[in-house]
Amino acid sequence: GENVEQHPSTLSVQEGDSAVIKCTYSDSASNYFPWYKQELGKRPQLIIDIRSNVGEKKDQRIAVTLNKTAKHFSLHITETQPEDSAVYFCAAHMDSNYQLIWGAGTKLIIKP
Amino acid sequence: DAEITQSPRHKITETGRQVTLACHQTWNHNNMFWYRQDLGHGLRLIHYSYGVQDTNKGEVSDGYSVSRSNTEDLPLTLESAASSQTSVYFCASSKTGYTGELFFGEGSRLTVL
Repeated sequence: GENVEQHPSTLSVQEGDSAVIKCTYSDSASNYFPWYKQELGKRPQLIIDIRSNVGEKKDQRIAVTLNKTAKHFSLHITETQPEDSAVYFCAAHMDSNYQLIWGAGTKLIIKP
Repeated sequence: DAEITQSPRHKITETGRQVTLACHQTWNHNNMFWYRQDLGHGLRLIHYSYGVQDTNKGEVSDGYSVSRSNTEDLPLTLESAASSQTSVYFCASSKTGYTGELFFGEGSRLTVL
């Protein structure tokens, strides 16, 4: 079945620097790739998503890129701020089983 | 404002007891999901429903059941709680269609002693 691997598990960056989180998926039929942010003790919330017919999508300081050939997609956060500290989850969706398959999460730490 | 609420937010129970976690959404979404979240495993799907009277098993459904008698509610029942079911449980909903934003509840922390 589909498998999503997410790296790194923990990422520590200096405030103002960029952060990149990468996910790889196994099923080439996957066609939808969302990213969720979960602050400590809170619920996950969608921050950006991308569909398989698009290579890149941006929303202010965050962007997602998709490489269908290599079967990986990445979250890019520029000019990181303290409020970016959270756990970030990637996921991939396959039409064949109508489910999202989730990565294990990346804890992003922004150092002042 | 539309929302999705879970209750109880915290529960401690004993092994072997039946436990029901409630999930209520006012988005009028057809799709509802139950996930459990454990350190190192991310979010794992327990059960899901695409409409009234529809329920489906997810990847970790053993020991859990759900029922969908109306659009708003999807209660999750642990028939005989086990220590391995100690976890944080999230309910979520989404509009029709198989892709799109999931709206999560605040989570229910369950401890099985």
